[in-house]
Amino acid sequence: NAGVMQNPRHLVRRRGQEARLRCSPMKGHSHVYWYRQLPEEGLKFMVYLQKENIIDESGMPKERFSAEFPKEGPSILRIQQVVRGDSAAYFCASSPPRTGDLNEQFFGPGTRLTVL
Amino acid sequence: AQSVTQLGSHVSVSEGALVLLRCNYSSSVPPYLFWYVQYPNQGLQLLLKYTTGATLVKGINGFEAEFKKSETSFHLTKPSAHMSDAAEYFCAVNKAAGNKLTFGGGTRVLVKP
Repeated sequence: NAGVMQNPRHLVRRRGQEARLRCSPMKGHSHVYWYRQLPEEGLKFMVYLQKENIIDESGMPKERFSAEFPKEGPSILRIQQVVRGDSAAYFCASSPPRTGDLNEQFFGPGTRLTVL
Repeated sequence: AQSVTQLGSHVSVSEGALVLLRCNYSSSVPPYLFWYVQYPNQGLQLLLKYTTGATLVKGINGFEAEFKKSETSFHLTKPSAHMSDAAEYFCAVNKAAGNKLTFGGGTRVLVKP
């Protein structure tokens, strides 16, 4: 059973370009979470999605950032018109449907975004 | 609102010595608590978790943590450090299954030979 997959692992963009980060959850997992880790900081929650639904986007910046988890295919975190402050590691995590104690989130290897 | 505080952003221990990483949390409801480890340029790996039941939790790689409700703490320990324990460690909390994790700022562990 493959783990959470993220691609690309490294992404370089110039200011003003768009960044698209992809996350494929573990097989059987229907919940996806995105977190951002700024340099020298802990992870900060961005958004929680289930298939075709955004459940909690309280950590998403109000502008330029969007996320989706379509019925088919990976979850996408999209950053429009990137700025240098968007440089960070972006981690995706997935978890299975709620079943009592099973609330562990499994993390992918992350995408490291560098904005020039 | 939940919050997590990890005391000490950097900890240096000698190989074979005790590792103690401190974590305090605030939560309005009984929390679920986690410790994750992150090796350089990698994702997070779960070390251990507390949900309900026994307050002393054993995890992988010889780590354990104790949930102390009266102290709102969930400190991580390992009796004898190994060079391979050099990494960054994050304490995290959430309120319920399927909920977002709130992370502490992390503690970077350096192991000296």
